[in-house]
Amino acid sequence: ETGVTQSPTHLIKTRGQQVTLRCSSQSGHNTVSWYQQALGQGPQFIFQYYREEENGRGNFPPRFSGLQFPNYSSELNVNALELDDSALYLCASSFQRGVQETQYFGPGTRLLVL
Amino acid sequence: AQSVTQPDIHITVSEGASLELRCNYSYGATPYLFWYVQSPGQGLQLLLKYFSGDTLVQGIKGFEAEFKRSQSSFNLRKPSVHWSDAAEYFCAVGVRTAGNKLTFGGGTRVLVKP
Repeated sequence: ETGVTQSPTHLIKTRGQQVTLRCSSQSGHNTVSWYQQALGQGPQFIFQYYREEENGRGNFPPRFSGLQFPNYSSELNVNALELDDSALYLCASSFQRGVQETQYFGPGTRLLVL
Repeated sequence: AQSVTQPDIHITVSEGASLELRCNYSYGATPYLFWYVQSPGQGLQLLLKYFSGDTLVQGIKGFEAEFKRSQSSFNLRKPSVHWSDAAEYFCAVGVRTAGNKLTFGGGTRVLVKP
């Protein structure tokens, strides 16, 4: 158990809908990263937030957006859902934003888009 | 751009036998390298990481990894596998210029025979 929690655990949506996924960081961590893990693949970096500001973004379209709150919890929002958005979404928190910092992953939210 | 290759999609080992998982990376500078393990329904757990110094790194659960710059490799090893080691293993490279974004390989699934 890492202390990083995510909700919901599972979610089913239809194409075109919008979804919000939530992540609660480990206590004392000010950096949150989000990853998408398609079935049978490794996680892919979506973006990172550090002290409520976006601190880097992967190769994902603008319909993927995020927020980080003053308590360092975070949301991932996906608009206009597509079938290919079906995946496990992982968030990871770390004490600081440096690459040497260990990232602690939550259990993920499994999203199915029909 | 950086990339990570894990050539073996599946590996089956007998309990008590040794295990080696291969990882090759492509990155222009000295990499930050990680190995994570993912059990079914779980998030990713850090096994070990390499930043600099001794090229043989010890991790949790009896795992170790060796960084070989000349081969661009960071292979994971365990001398004697336990049934609880059955999981998926991911190698990742961290990019210093992009916060602590991690680029993951495709993963190797390890099956342990009794």
